[in-house]
Amino acid sequence: KAGVTQTPRYLIKTRGQQVTLSCSPISGHRSVSWYQQTPGQGLQFLFEYFSETQRNKGNFPGRFSGRQFSNSRSEMNVSTLELGDSALYLCASSLAIQQYEQYFGPGTRLTVT
Amino acid sequence: GENVEQHPSTLSVQEGDSAVIKCTYSDSASNYFPWYKQELGKGPQLIIDIRSNVGEKKDQRIAVTLNKTAKHFSLHITETQPEDSAVYFCAATSGGSYIPTFGRGTSLIVHP
Repeated sequence: KAGVTQTPRYLIKTRGQQVTLSCSPISGHRSVSWYQQTPGQGLQFLFEYFSETQRNKGNFPGRFSGRQFSNSRSEMNVSTLELGDSALYLCASSLAIQQYEQYFGPGTRLTVT
Repeated sequence: GENVEQHPSTLSVQEGDSAVIKCTYSDSASNYFPWYKQELGKGPQLIIDIRSNVGEKKDQRIAVTLNKTAKHFSLHITETQPEDSAVYFCAATSGGSYIPTFGRGTSLIVHP
């Protein structure tokens, strides 16, 4: 069974631009969570989607948003990029909402210059 | 909210030695404790987990122990191999939110 896939794997953007990242969960998994990983803050939860609805949200500004499609694929968007948004963005999927086990994708490395 | 402390931040061992990584958590409502291994350029991989109704769990060379009273849990890797070199993360998850809080990671280096 294929794992979680994320595209693109690497991205370089300029401050002030916006970016969209994509995640395809494991086949059959319906819940998708997003995390930001930085050396300074570690792994931090952004949000979780299930059945095309945001179910949980972490402590990030409104510039960070996401959505989920009917096939469970998810996108996250960051608007008005700041230098501090440079990070590895990880997507994790699980079978359903309120499931402990999460399986991560390889991440998208975003660099903001 | 939950707070997870992980130690050490770096661990260097010789091939064949054992490695132990320790985590403490603050929220007594946490009841699921996964461990992830992250290799360079890859996402975290779930390697073992334990629930609060179990004190120990083993999977080949890897074991996890949980002390609910003291609110700490540990990862034990025996007979370490160079391919065990990676960053290991612990996490604690409450049944209320199902959102894990991660430790800051331990960089394990296994010297051949």
